[in-house]
Amino acid sequence: QVQLQESGPGLVKPSETLSLTCTVSGGSISSYYWSWIRQPPGKGLEWMGYVYYSGSTNYNPSLKSRVTISVDTSKNQFSLRLSSVTAADTAVYYCARVGYGDYNYYGMDVWGQGTTVTVSS
Amino acid sequence: DIVMTQSPDSLAVSLGERATISCKSSQSVLFSSNNKNYFAWYQQKPGQPPKLLIYWASTRESGVPDRFSGGGSGTDFTLTISSLQAEDVAVYYCQQYYSTPYTFGQGTKLEIK
Repeated sequence: QVQLQESGPGLVKPSETLSLTCTVSGGSISSYYWSWIRQPPGKGLEWMGYVYYSGSTNYNPSLKSRVTISVDTSKNQFSLRLSSVTAADTAVYYCARVGYGDYNYYGMDVWGQGTTVTVSS
Repeated sequence: DIVMTQSPDSLAVSLGERATISCKSSQSVLFSSNNKNYFAWYQQKPGQPPKLLIYWASTRESGVPDRFSGGGSGTDFTLTISSLQAEDVAVYYCQQYYSTPYTFGQGTKLEIK
């Protein structure tokens, strides 16, 4: 079955750019939307945005212009970049697939295990 | 943004008893053209990613035990666990996917009494 794996640095300095990649295995990245969600320590879930396999994107306005999500279909990967990070961006970052069935997209049905990113000098 | 509000924040239920969690959205997530509620429930155990339990408000994800059921429509939804098992201890989140930004409830922590 489809599996997702996040990768990237676990420590990022304030004001720098956080970069993570999610590798999709066991299935194709095509025909789905792919999301990034984060969870600060001890807190709830925040949807950051998604990318369609074609490259179209939708972002959470709360992140303003700091977030960029892209897709590389040749590698079956999609990526997250978050610029100008602060301590408030310290979180577990998850990648996830938006489920599809019956001609509709629905909740996020496949998740990566998550990767912890700490913002600190 | 659609605000999702869960109640209660925490809940303690005896093994074998029923557990019910509520979620209210600040606006309807019922799409009139297909009569579907764009609403989901997730379960998150410590150190694990969330797991999709229910989508379209009442459709169980494949492999989810039938003791889990979802109900409601429009702005008011419930997740019911008919007979609580020890492995159901977790935090439960509701989520709307009616409009972006997708939003989650604050979570309900379910424990054994």
